[in-house]
Amino acid sequence: GAVVSQHPSWVICKSGTSVKIECRSLDFQATTMFWYRQFPKQSLMLMATSNEGSKATYEQGVEKDKFLINHASLTLSTLTVTSAHPEDSSFYICSARDRSDYEQYFGPGTRLTVT
Amino acid sequence: GQNIDQPTEMTATEGAIVQINCTYQTSGFNGLFWYQQHAGEAPTFLSYNVLDGLEEKGRFSSFLSRSKGYSYLLLKELQMKDSASYLCAAMDSNYQLIWGAGTKLIIKP
Repeated sequence: GAVVSQHPSWVICKSGTSVKIECRSLDFQATTMFWYRQFPKQSLMLMATSNEGSKATYEQGVEKDKFLINHASLTLSTLTVTSAHPEDSSFYICSARDRSDYEQYFGPGTRLTVT
Repeated sequence: GQNIDQPTEMTATEGAIVQINCTYQTSGFNGLFWYQQHAGEAPTFLSYNVLDGLEEKGRFSSFLSRSKGYSYLLLKELQMKDSASYLCAAMDSNYQLIWGAGTKLIIKP
């Protein structure tokens, strides 16, 4: 089956610093990758959609200058949370889809805590 | 607007059967997904329906009625490990997933 990895699994950072989260498709080419955020006991919230080689499309209310997304290759997308604040603490999950499949394959998620 | 509705929480007994309903309204429709999510983990794929009818996969079955904008996930022979949140998501005309808020299923012995 299709496997998506995320790194790191969890990270603690200080307020004002930046954190980069990587999302990799291990055994397929991910033409589209999605970044979600999930707060405790809430559902997934789509942050942005990125297609390989083009700029990400951000959902309404998501600051593109704060959440930088790069999808430079068919197997890697990165999300950088810039100038992190405690309210950015959340569970960040990526998913990936290839050209021939409608299903989104999820990574294991990254738990970010900003102190 | 686009909308997905599913119950917030359900409780069932080990060994029993439970049905989790989902209604959807989307701009175009390219299928209905069900995902399972245990606390602190990412969602895992359960089923995909794009045609009307029932799809059975082991203890789990999923049903779709496109004309009614309705789906359900049926879980049989419930086990304690089935305690999780179940997410309904409809794919719109742009192949974007519109997510429901999830149904937290509590299994009691």
